[in-house]
Amino acid sequence: DSGVTQTPKHLITATGQRVTLRCSPRSGDLSVYWYQQSLDQGLQFLIQYYNGEERAKGNILERFSAQQFPDLHSELNLSSLELGDSALYFCASSVGGQGAREQYFGPGTRLTVT
Amino acid sequence: EDQVTQSPEALRLQEGESSSLNCSYTVSGLRGLFWYRQDPGKGPEFLFTLYSAGEEKEKERLKATLTKKESFLHITAPKPEDSATYLCAVWSGGSNYKLTFGKGTLLTVNP
Repeated sequence: DSGVTQTPKHLITATGQRVTLRCSPRSGDLSVYWYQQSLDQGLQFLIQYYNGEERAKGNILERFSAQQFPDLHSELNLSSLELGDSALYFCASSVGGQGAREQYFGPGTRLTVT
Repeated sequence: EDQVTQSPEALRLQEGESSSLNCSYTVSGLRGLFWYRQDPGKGPEFLFTLYSAGEEKEKERLKATLTKKESFLHITAPKPEDSATYLCAVWSGGSNYKLTFGKGTLLTVNP
């Protein structure tokens, strides 16, 4: 158990809909990272937040957005969903915010878009 | 564009048969290289960070090494519980850094 929690574990929704994925980092960690993992693309870094502020941006689509709240939990919002958005979404956390430090991953949310 | 290539894609070993996994990379300004282990349906588990060529790190049966073009994950006398997908990732760039993962090597260790 990494100490990172993600909810929900599974999510099934229809094309065009909007969903919110939630992540709580390990106690004491200030950085949260979001990833998308699909069979063909592998693990793709989406975005990092550090202590409430966006720190780095990867391959995140404009239809996706994230935020980190004062209690350090983070949410990833996915809108206008397409079939290709079906994937595992992971959240990870780390202590520092300078760059991509060693990260501790949550169990993931499996999103299925039908 | 940063590229990370892991080989082989899949590796099957007998218990006790040592081998190495390769991660070759092309990045502008390597800041660090990470190795993770991922079990099916679970999040990656951090193993090592390497920061500069020549650096080595060990943990139980695993040893990671780094050169200017590639990293190796050496597995000595593997056990069935070492079966997993091993991912490497490279961190490059400045304040808006890049983090690029390879597609992984699926390791199966047979008893």
